[in-house]
Amino acid sequence: DTAVSQTPKYLVTQMGNDKSIKCEQNLGHDTMYWYKQDSKKFLKIMFSYNNKELIINETVPNRFSPKSPDKAHLNLHINSLELGDSAVYFCASSHISGGSYEQYFGPGTRLTVT
Amino acid sequence: DQQVKQNSPSLSVQEGRISILNCDYTNSMFDYFLWYKKYPAEGPTFLISISSIKDKNEDGRFTVFLNKSAKHLSLHIVPSQPGDSAVYFCAASAFNTDKLIFGTGTRLQVFP
Repeated sequence: DTAVSQTPKYLVTQMGNDKSIKCEQNLGHDTMYWYKQDSKKFLKIMFSYNNKELIINETVPNRFSPKSPDKAHLNLHINSLELGDSAVYFCASSHISGGSYEQYFGPGTRLTVT
Repeated sequence: DQQVKQNSPSLSVQEGRISILNCDYTNSMFDYFLWYKKYPAEGPTFLISISSIKDKNEDGRFTVFLNKSAKHLSLHIVPSQPGDSAVYFCAASAFNTDKLIFGTGTRLQVFP
């Protein structure tokens, strides 16, 4: 059973389009995240949600909008895609308890904007 | 400003020997540290963690050491195996936050 899954795994699209990436976790975790890994392989947090509530919102263009319909899902919608949005996007989840913060990652979605 | 640094982009080690991966941090508010392993085309996989109240944590072949005064941690893998070949990321978080700050990774290659 896949703990954290993302769809699609690969996404190729043109500039200006709107696209969504879906994420689901079956670990029973209460917190979910989106990370971006850029061309320099630097992994940086974008958003986190706890029980459907936005907790972390880093300096991300407002073209990016996360949506959490329930605590097992966190989707990422991107409007008006730009070339610089090309990256690998990782979803993650965790259960914050006792001060431990292990996050479990999905396989990633490689987004290519042409 | 990068708060978590892995200054060695790559490391090559012979099978059976020890691999030592290093990580430095600048933010004294960090109190929880993690190591992740990543294979190509996969997500990072949690490996081992350590709280700032400890200076060592061991799990099988993996041991993480924390030197708070030097703001330095290291991951030791003994003995190294070819399957350990991957990119290793160090990450840190501050008290009462779940925001992980990642280093840029070290590519470990274990050769026979």
